[in-house]
Amino acid sequence: EDQVTQSPEALRLQEGESSSLNCSYTVSGLRGLFWYRQDPGKGPEFLFTLYSAGEEKEKERLKATLTKKESFLHITAPKPEDSATYLCAVRYNNNDMRFGAGTRLTVKP
Amino acid sequence: DVKVTQSSRYLVKRTGEKVFLECVQDMDHENMFWYRQDPGLGLRLIYFSYDVKMKEKGDIPEGYSVSREKKERFSLILESASTNQTSMYLCASSLYTDTQYFGPGTRLTVL
Repeated sequence: EDQVTQSPEALRLQEGESSSLNCSYTVSGLRGLFWYRQDPGKGPEFLFTLYSAGEEKEKERLKATLTKKESFLHITAPKPEDSATYLCAVRYNNNDMRFGAGTRLTVKP
Repeated sequence: DVKVTQSSRYLVKRTGEKVFLECVQDMDHENMFWYRQDPGLGLRLIYFSYDVKMKEKGDIPEGYSVSREKKERFSLILESASTNQTSMYLCASSLYTDTQYFGPGTRLTVL
């Protein structure tokens, strides 16, 4: 079965301390990789879609990159308001969409 | 902007009750989805629909049914609620196989 694994499960950073979140997936035909941000008690909010290895997308302090077997969400100089759970999802060739369990990010002031 | 709305943010029901969760999207999307989200298990697909009156089972359809009478509206029905259906329920919509946009979620508690 196709799987999506996110690491770490939880990450605590100081404000301004850059880091990366990882999303790895089983290689069986990728049609798209999606990053979402989810605040407690709310629905996931769309951030990025990546379609092919080498592609990069940026939005404010966030940058998503994609290789043939994983994606990284780089957070540069994070602020406390970046604290949230970040979800990764992969759509495969058979149109199955699989979500990772998420990385819970906490940014301390 | 895509807008997906869900009928309730919080819902408390008793075991055995019939529960309706409503979802409406305003972007003329073909596809609509119902997920449940539980700690440590991530999002799991219950049902999806790719057209009016069409429905497909997801990974965990047992105990649930759905209805899509109009393109913009997708309902999730718990025929006889049980305590193990206490969860966060998320509705999403997408244009064909593109990005899914989510509603705010309904936190359902079954007592």
